[in-house]
Parts: sequence; structure tokens; C-alpha cells
Amino acid sequence: SQQGEEDPQALSIQEGENATMNCSYKTSINNLQWYRQNSGRGLVHLILIRSNEREKHSGRLRVTLDTSKKSSSLLITASRAADTASYFCATEIYNNAGNMLTFGGGTRLMVKP
Amino acid sequence: NAGVTQTPKFQVLKTGQSMTLQCAQDMNHNSMYWYRQDPGMGLRLIYYSASEGTTDKGEVPNGYNVSRLNKREFSLRLESAAPSQTSVYFCASREYRGSYEQYFGPGTRLTVT
Repeated sequence: SQQGEEDPQALSIQEGENATMNCSYKTSINNLQWYRQNSGRGLVHLILIRSNEREKHSGRLRVTLDTSKKSSSLLITASRAADTASYFCATEIYNNAGNMLTFGGGTRLMVKP
Repeated sequence: NAGVTQTPKFQVLKTGQSMTLQCAQDMNHNSMYWYRQDPGMGLRLIYYSASEGTTDKGEVPNGYNVSRLNKREFSLRLESAAPSQTSVYFCASREYRGSYEQYFGPGTRLTVT
């Protein structure tokens, strides 16, 4: 079963607009990460936010984490055609067996030029 | 640095055939992972190796075996391929279990007929 679920499943916007993707999860986590996947390629790490953090920025990316609601959002500002990709959230829980990332189903973002 | 490399890039197998997917990383990472990604879905963890000499099952281990050959290499074996194993397989590595990003290979697209 997937710990994280992204919403929406697909998003289409015009270049220059902002894109917001949401991720909800079910159990308490230690950190949450966002990854991007271009078509036919491997995943690339975007940003990591720890459970004691509420907001992080990286360039045009802003991530928020609300542990009380068990949700996170990824905001891409001033989107570009090159941002067209699938975006995945992944949650991590530390345990004795070894820490593992659990991925959501992803949001497919299309940015039209 | 090449990062994470995977071979082969594509493979077609008949039901019942066996094969080994190879993965290598040159970043001196301790932890390595094997995932599968089915169409339109997120990644599911098959097996992982938290450190050299250890391997553990992930979410979907049935039908697979792994070998952590050394610190650099982590292979995934399908002993008797089934159509349900048609998927894209990704290898990933990271410095250590914990709050670190994972680095992904380009993937192996496997079709079992």
C-alpha cells in the first residue's frame, strides 16, 4: 500500500503560472521528500523536509509540511515548459529494520509554452 | 562520476526465463535499493541493502532475489519471470539510511511475454 497520495493526479497550466501539488500520508513520518521524473528517466531529488520543519525553499520550489494534517504541498512558482514532468512525494520512517522511502502515485504536470 | 548505472536498458523475456539486472554506483554510498514502477504509478520497493553485507525485503519481494556483491554493486535476479513482472526497474543509492536523498539510475524496461 502507498503511504503518500498525491493530488491532483494530473495538472495542466500555462508557462508562468504557479503549480501546486499536494501529498497526504497516513502514519507519522521522520521526513518527506519530493522527486521529479522526466518521461522515460529516473527520479531526481528536489527537496527534503524534516518532521520538525514547516516550510522549506529551494529556488522556485516551496514545500510545506503540516504534520497535524499529515499533508505536504509542493509549489512551483513561475513555471516553465521544462518543468513538465511527474512529481512524487516520498515519506520516510526510521525503524530498526532500516529506513525506507514509500512513494506516492505522483502528479503529472504539463506546462504549456 | 557516472552516478548510478543500470544494465541492460531494455529486456524482453519469455515466461519462465531468468535474468539478472545489474546496478552499480560510484559515489561510495552505503545503502542501495531496487524499485519497480508500473505504468502510471509510483515506485514500490522490492529489496534494499542498508549496508554492504546486508539485504532486506521491501514491499514487493516475491519472485525476486538480490545480491550485494560489494559496496558498489547490487544485482536483482528474476529466477522464473512472469508477465506480472513486466515493469520498469530502478536502482537507487544513498550515503546512509536516514535523512539523505536517494540517487536513481536510468531504469531497465522489462517486458515478460
